[in-house]
Amino acid sequence: DTEVTQTPKHLVMGMTNKKSLKCEQHMGHRAMYWYKQKAKKPPELMFVYSYEKLSINESVPSRFSPECPNSSLLNLHLHALQPEDSALYLCASSQEGRNSNQPQHFGDGTRLSIL
Amino acid sequence: AQSVAQPEDQVNVAEGNPLTVKCTYSVSGNPYLFWYVQYPNRGLQFLLKYITGDNLVKGSYGFEAEFNKSQTSFHLKKPSALVSDSALYFCAVTPQRGGNNRLAFGKGNQVVVIP
Repeated sequence: DTEVTQTPKHLVMGMTNKKSLKCEQHMGHRAMYWYKQKAKKPPELMFVYSYEKLSINESVPSRFSPECPNSSLLNLHLHALQPEDSALYLCASSQEGRNSNQPQHFGDGTRLSIL
Repeated sequence: AQSVAQPEDQVNVAEGNPLTVKCTYSVSGNPYLFWYVQYPNRGLQFLLKYITGDNLVKGSYGFEAEFNKSQTSFHLKKPSALVSDSALYFCAVTPQRGGNNRLAFGKGNQVVVIP
C-alpha cells in the first residue's frame, strides 16, 4: 500500500468534459508534485507545490490547472483535454520542499484516457 | 542542467544470477542520486539514495548501489535476482545545490528475470 493516495484510479473523459484528479498524503510532507507518464517512459514533471504555493510550472498547457487546498491535498483540474493527454498521472510528495535529498513518495496514479 | 543515462533498454538475467542496472549522470556540483522501481500498474517506489558518505548504499529488497564519482556512475546491483524483481527501474539525479525539487530521470530499464 502506498502512502500517497490518488483518486480515481481510472478516468475516461471526452475532450469537452471537466474533471479533477485528487491526491492525498498524511506524512506531513510540504512538497507535492504532479507528473505525467507515458507507457514505459520516465515521469515528466508538471507542477511542484512547496508549502502550498506553486513553485514550479513546467510550461504546462492551461487546460491543466493545479490546486493545493492544504498541506495534505493536491488536485489537478482538467478541461478541454486532447487525445495526446492520455497518460498515467502520478502524484508525489516529499519532505521540506527545498531539501532535495529526500526521496519523493509516489501514488499509484490515475490512468487517464481522452476520447 | 542535470541528466541521467541508462544505456540499456532491457536487462535479461536468469533467476539466482547477479543483477546490474547501469546509470551514469551529469550534474553541476555534487549529486543526490536515487533509484526507483515501477511494477505494472503501480507508481514509482523508492529503493535507495546516495547523499554523501559511504559509496556503497544499501536499500530495500536486497538492492544496493555503488557511487563512483570519477566515473559519474551509480549502478544498481542485486547479488541474486528473483522473478519478482522483474520491473521498470529508473535512476534519478538532482544537484545538491539549486536542485529546486527537480529530479532528472533516466529513460528507464526494463528488467526481466527468467525463471
